[in-house]
Amino acid sequence: GQNIDQPTEMTATEGAIVQINCTYQTSGFNGLFWYQQHAGEAPTFLSYNVLDGLEEKGRFSSFLSRSKGYSYLLLKELQMKDSASYLCAVTDSNYQLIWGAGTKLIIKP
Amino acid sequence: NAGVTQTPKFRVLKTGQSMTLLCAQDMNHEYMYWYRQDPGMGLRLIHYSVGEGTTAKGEVPDGYNVSRLKKQNFLLGLESAAPSQTSVYFCASSPSGGASETQYFGPGTRLLVL
Repeated sequence: GQNIDQPTEMTATEGAIVQINCTYQTSGFNGLFWYQQHAGEAPTFLSYNVLDGLEEKGRFSSFLSRSKGYSYLLLKELQMKDSASYLCAVTDSNYQLIWGAGTKLIIKP
Repeated sequence: NAGVTQTPKFRVLKTGQSMTLLCAQDMNHEYMYWYRQDPGMGLRLIHYSVGEGTTAKGEVPDGYNVSRLKKQNFLLGLESAAPSQTSVYFCASSPSGGASETQYFGPGTRLLVL
């Protein structure tokens, strides 16, 4: 079956750095997405990786290793507004998005 | 542009009642999707559409029907609601369903079935 694993919850301190991991086992791979979802709101796009390596976008970076079935989202200089759930999703061989359950990130002052 | 909108925002149903959730997008996207989101689980695809007049089943289609009579609208119907259908429903759209395309989500509909 298809499976995406992420930690359920993480806690970090304002101003610090946090890394959210995602491992996947899917039928085919056509890229990996990270979305942010604030409580009670819709998911919004953060990043897309299809090749191995690190993609940097401001305070957020996303890394992919296809051989290991592994990705992480790195958030730097954490702000209180970064408190949200972070969803990992993989595009499979049928171009369907397979979603992880999300990681709830709690930022403490 | 409003993006993706959903109506209603919240609804309470009794078991056996029916209802229709409406999704509209003004981005001229070909692909539209209906997901449900439950605690501790990832978004699960219910049905999707690759263009006006077409629909296809997703991962969890049972108990739901859909229609895409106009390109900008995608309707999700529950013919006989069950408590297991209590969930948050999200509609999304993307330009042409490409692997790298972002999906744009509506604000969600919270449905409680008693």
